[in-house]
Amino acid sequence: GAGVSQSPRYKVAKRGQDVALRCDPISGHVSLFWYQQALGQGPEFLTYFQNEAQLDKSGLPSDRFFAERPEGSVSTLKIQRTQQEDSAVYLCASSSSHRDGNEKLFFGSGTQLSVL
Amino acid sequence: KQEVTQIPAALSVPEGENLVLNCSFTDSAIYNLQWFRQDPGKGLTSLLLIQSSQREQTSGRLNASLDKSSGRSTLYIAASQPGDSATYLCAPATDSWGKLQFGAGTQVVVTP
Repeated sequence: GAGVSQSPRYKVAKRGQDVALRCDPISGHVSLFWYQQALGQGPEFLTYFQNEAQLDKSGLPSDRFFAERPEGSVSTLKIQRTQQEDSAVYLCASSSSHRDGNEKLFFGSGTQLSVL
Repeated sequence: KQEVTQIPAALSVPEGENLVLNCSFTDSAIYNLQWFRQDPGKGLTSLLLIQSSQREQTSGRLNASLDKSSGRSTLYIAASQPGDSATYLCAPATDSWGKLQFGAGTQVVVTP
């Protein structure tokens, strides 16, 4: 595709509900990242995939957060039993190389999650 | 853990003035540093990427410098325009595969 696509654009969830956020990276991009951005702050790293392998999930806030990329393209971030503190914008980014990290990251427009 | 600070937090200038945005980071062992632009309600757009071995990078009216040993980077925007109004974030890469640590950003307003 032309860019990184995320859906839904907005999600309102009741506390305790499970949600799934989708990311379609740029076709052929090997690396995929998820970031969480709170209002007025910079994005915070959540997890990283190289193809289908999840190489780093050190930023996931709790075991309620789970991410997958089973075929090395589309990725899903799942949040179980949502809490109010999960309200944030969830950003997905991809890049074409994993070899030396000297590749620009391309970000999607994000999913704004509001937990009531 | 890498800590990234951006000063100032907000900046308002009249059109035509040059902009200077500062970024400092605590761990100099970085692989590269990127500057991003974020418009309200939008994702991030990468403006410039400076590799760890480089001192500066230029693209049009944008110039970014990197002093890795002192943990500083500066983004210069020449002859600012109202369309430059946005939040600018710097992000050093802390791993070889490009994991980024972001600052909180500098919110820029350029008035006509």
